[in-house]
Amino acid sequence: NAGVTQTPKFQVLKTGQSMTLQCAQDMNHEYMSWYRQDPGMGLRLIHYSVGAGITDQGEVPNGYNVSRSTTEDFPLRLLSAAPSQTSVYFCASSYSQDSYEQYFGPGTRLTVT
Amino acid sequence: EDQVTQSPEALRLQEGESSSLNCSYTVSGLRGLFWYRQDPGKGPEFLFTLYSAGEEKEKERLKATLTKKESFLHITAPKPEDSATYLCAVQAGGTYKYIFGTGTRLKVLA
Repeated sequence: NAGVTQTPKFQVLKTGQSMTLQCAQDMNHEYMSWYRQDPGMGLRLIHYSVGAGITDQGEVPNGYNVSRSTTEDFPLRLLSAAPSQTSVYFCASSYSQDSYEQYFGPGTRLTVT
Repeated sequence: EDQVTQSPEALRLQEGESSSLNCSYTVSGLRGLFWYRQDPGKGPEFLFTLYSAGEEKEKERLKATLTKKESFLHITAPKPEDSATYLCAVQAGGTYKYIFGTGTRLKVLA
């Protein structure tokens, strides 16, 4: 049982490049989410999903896309990277959307130059 | 607007010196309040969930309590291994979003 896995661990992009951050969980969790963590800002919700085929926006969705074609996977796409997207990104999952604890992945540290 | 505020931002304790961390929240109907621990370079790790005022949960040296406006994380006789950032989060009624506070960085000195 690997829990929540994220790839890559580190990534450097140039402004304007696109990329996909991968997230997978093997706990059959319905709810998955993406956060970014910046110094002094705490964790901010980017997008979330309450089940396969269902996604919605969080607090800071601009510049990011998500899809949820399977229960296990929830990739985050950066369409055209900007320096403001330099951050640490965490994926999380929980049993359902109804106020259960979230399990977090190890994070992806992204730098946009 | 739903909001979570944690205080203090940082706290230094001597080993064995008990203290409390505060999480105050403003939400339209609380579905759940969560405490997490985050070590440097790692993802947050779940500690407690509290659902209603008056509820308390304990785990080793940690005890979480909840009122209608705030939650406290009490740390009794802390050890250096308790050093971490402690995060508070809420899920408000009518939404499936979680709102996090900015955390309290705790350093316990031997």
